[in-house]
Amino acid sequence: KQEVTQIPAALSVPEGENLVLNCSFTDSAIYNLQWFRQDPGKGLTSLLLIQSSQREQTSGRLNASLDKSSGRSTLYIAASQPGDSATYLCAVREYSSASKIIFGSGTRLSIRP
Amino acid sequence: GAVVSQHPSWVICKSGTSVKIECRSLDFQATTMFWYRQFPKQSLMLMATSNEGSKATYEQGVEKDKFLINHASLTLSTLTVTSAHPEDSSFYICSAAPAGGRYEQYFGPGTRLTVT
Repeated sequence: KQEVTQIPAALSVPEGENLVLNCSFTDSAIYNLQWFRQDPGKGLTSLLLIQSSQREQTSGRLNASLDKSSGRSTLYIAASQPGDSATYLCAVREYSSASKIIFGSGTRLSIRP
Repeated sequence: GAVVSQHPSWVICKSGTSVKIECRSLDFQATTMFWYRQFPKQSLMLMATSNEGSKATYEQGVEKDKFLINHASLTLSTLTVTSAHPEDSSFYICSAAPAGGRYEQYFGPGTRLTVT
């Protein structure tokens, strides 16, 4: 059974720092991996999607990497801003049921001004 | 494009009553819709998958008679929480997959349900 873990569960850093969020998954047979952002009491915003054949994706200050063989992904946020404060969720789709998304527990990020 | 709405955004109901939550794809047709539940400070857990015109597929541990799902059209799915109890209080999020786009899902803004 696929399990997705995110470390740390919570992170607080001063504004301007670069930071890395970690995601690990137990079954490497994934179709793709996606990073989402969730603001308190809100739905999900898709940030980056990495197909299983890709190693990384970039969007603005965000860079996500994927090492499928080791079951790991990282989300790198450069020059963090208070507006980046949110919960970041990692999710994978498996080949066996690619329409089904399995979410990690999330990292609650707080950027201090 | 690819907007999914949910109604209501929040609802408070009394224990023992039923409440219906709607999920709509506004600018695309969704052959498949998914319902998730999220407890405070926890991640999203898939409850069920619904395909237009057929019965929903429920995840293990989810009571199909308590959480009634209807996917009557290509743009609307409803989740009815029957005989609600305080432990059903949660954040319910739906997502919709476009026809022919099996691996894309677009998420709604969520519905906060509080059962008193």
